[in-house]
Amino acid sequence: DAGVIQSPRHEVTEMGQEVTLRCKPISGHDYLFWYRQTMMRGLELLIYFNNNVPIDDSGMPEDRFSAKMPNASFSTLKIQPSEPRDSAVYFCASSPAGGRAHEQFFGPGTRLTVL
Amino acid sequence: QKEVEQDPGPLSVPEGAIVSLNCTYSNSAFQYFMWYRQYSRKGPELLMYTYSSGNKEDGRFTAQVDKSSKYISLFIRDSQPSDSATYLCAMSPPPGDSWGKLQFGAGTQVVVTP
Repeated sequence: DAGVIQSPRHEVTEMGQEVTLRCKPISGHDYLFWYRQTMMRGLELLIYFNNNVPIDDSGMPEDRFSAKMPNASFSTLKIQPSEPRDSAVYFCASSPAGGRAHEQFFGPGTRLTVL
Repeated sequence: QKEVEQDPGPLSVPEGAIVSLNCTYSNSAFQYFMWYRQYSRKGPELLMYTYSSGNKEDGRFTAQVDKSSKYISLFIRDSQPSDSATYLCAMSPPPGDSWGKLQFGAGTQVVVTP
């Protein structure tokens, strides 16, 4: 299996622009997680899905952030409008089905820079 | 106060030494305890997990959980330069409302010198 796939790997944009990050989870996994990692705050859970349904979005910092999972093999995290403080590495992770939500497999991340 | 505390290091050891890492936590509901390894500019990689208290061994890695003290440890025997990375602990409550909602430590940077 190719593992969790994220695109783009790097994104540089200007303040106010819309940013869309993409994730393809591992086939057969039924949980999908979006995280953000910064030096100051470490790894933070933003939102997660189970069987394509959002379960907990309490970590989403504000209404500028939104996430969707239209099917089992694709999810997006959108920031509109972007701000410099959104600069971070965004990770997507997935977990196998069968009560294994604690076993999370991470993608390589998208490094976002907002100027 | 954070739910999970982890010393950020860096922790520098000579090749062949035992690396000792630990985390403390405050939420007694945590039942699953994970250790992730993260190389620079890569995603975290699950090393091993333990359910409830006890020890678990996998090759050179040993994880220990002491729920009575709310303290977990990871030991790396015969450390190699390739073990140089940041090690993050993570914890999860049992299946229920917060199932899968991991709480991560800040990560400890480990440097193994040849």
